Order: sequence, then structure tokens, then C-alpha cells
Amino acid sequence: DAEITQSPRHKITETGRQVTLACHQTWNHNNMFWYRQDLGHGLRLIHYSYGVQDTNKGEVSDGYSVSRSNTEDLPLTLESAASSQTSVYFCASSESRRGGSTDTQYFGPGTRLTVL
Amino acid sequence: QKEVEQDPGPLSVPEGAIVSLNCTYSNSAFQYFMWYRQYSRKGPELLMYTYSSGNKEDGRFTAQVDKSSKYISLFIRDSQPSDSATYLCAMSLLSPYSSASKIIFGSGTRLSIRP
Repeated sequence: DAEITQSPRHKITETGRQVTLACHQTWNHNNMFWYRQDLGHGLRLIHYSYGVQDTNKGEVSDGYSVSRSNTEDLPLTLESAASSQTSVYFCASSESRRGGSTDTQYFGPGTRLTVL
Repeated sequence: QKEVEQDPGPLSVPEGAIVSLNCTYSNSAFQYFMWYRQYSRKGPELLMYTYSSGNKEDGRFTAQVDKSSKYISLFIRDSQPSDSATYLCAMSLLSPYSSASKIIFGSGTRLSIRP
């Protein structure tokens, strides 16, 4: 069955270290998204991609970067981890539709990141 | 002011009760409205979606959109303990010039159904 996976599921790191969170989907979806979820804020968009070599900044992109070298993967990198980046991170993907329709996003199981 | 406001709860009701979950929003351009359900330590999953105003029913769930009041609701009839989860409302703009629309999420309401 097609799916979307994230790894690692849990990560503890130290302030200042570079961290990369993996996201892999097997639906062949063009669109991929990274969100963070914090109490009181819900899901906030970090970065998103509409296809290979395309990346865009979301609402809370400072301190994060992504790259899209193939359809299946969108890794999220924290260049220099900060305690404020302690959160649960969700990856999502959706199909591309032309004509302005909105795409259903399918979410991965999440990565719980703690920055000490 | 947040674009989408949702009471975080927690909301606790007895099994069999009718549950009403609500969100308000500020951007009148939103056209597409969704409800996601998120079980503890899992990713959100799409429960229902509606386009523009009106009602949509799916089994025990009814989604309602009132664009004039900028208010959306999710009703759960005959609630079950398995309905215990966090429910997130979400909405998006229709954009004919982009291949995907970004979704704005509410902060979620934690719901507990007591047996």
C-alpha cells in the first residue's frame, strides 16, 4: 500500500547541532509539506514543495531548509537547532490538480524533536 | 488575530451525546473547509470537507459552514469512546493559478467521550 513515512520518530539533540528529518511518500504526489505542531498553535506550515527542484517558504521557515531532488522525498534540515524548535514535526503530501481545486493532504506519523 | 480560531477544550461528554465542535475565521475568501481528526501521537487524517456554505453528512458526522457568519461546525451524533481525539478545523483558498492550495489549520479541540 502507498504510504508516507517519517524518520526518526523521536530525536533528542543539542542546541547548535544540525538535524535532518526524513519524509518519504510512495503515492507519487507532486506536493509535499512540512508542518510543526505546538500546543496553542495548531499546525503551522514550515516549507512546501510543488515538485522536484521546487521549494517555498511557509509561515515559520526561519532556521529550517528543505530540498527536493526527487518526487518521493522532502527532507527537513534544522541548520543550527534551537530550543524553540522543540516540537512535533509532520510531513504531508497531496496530488496536484489543475483548475484550482484543493488537494487532500495525507499526513505522516510525525517526528517528536527535543532540543536540549 | 489568528486567521482561524478554535476552542482548545478539553471537551468531555458521555457516550451517546451529540458533540458540537466549532471554528471561526476572519478571511472571507476561504472557500474550502475541512475537519481533521488526530489520535494521540498520530498524524491528522481528513474526516470531512465541504466547499462553500451548506451542510454535508457522512454517517454520524455532519459538517456545517456558514460563510455569512464565518463559522463552521462539526456535529458528532451518538458519540463513541473511539471518537476521543483532537479535532482540527482547516480551510483554504481556491487558487486557479497554483497547482496546490495551502491549508490554514485551527489549533484543535481535544475531545473525550466517557463510556
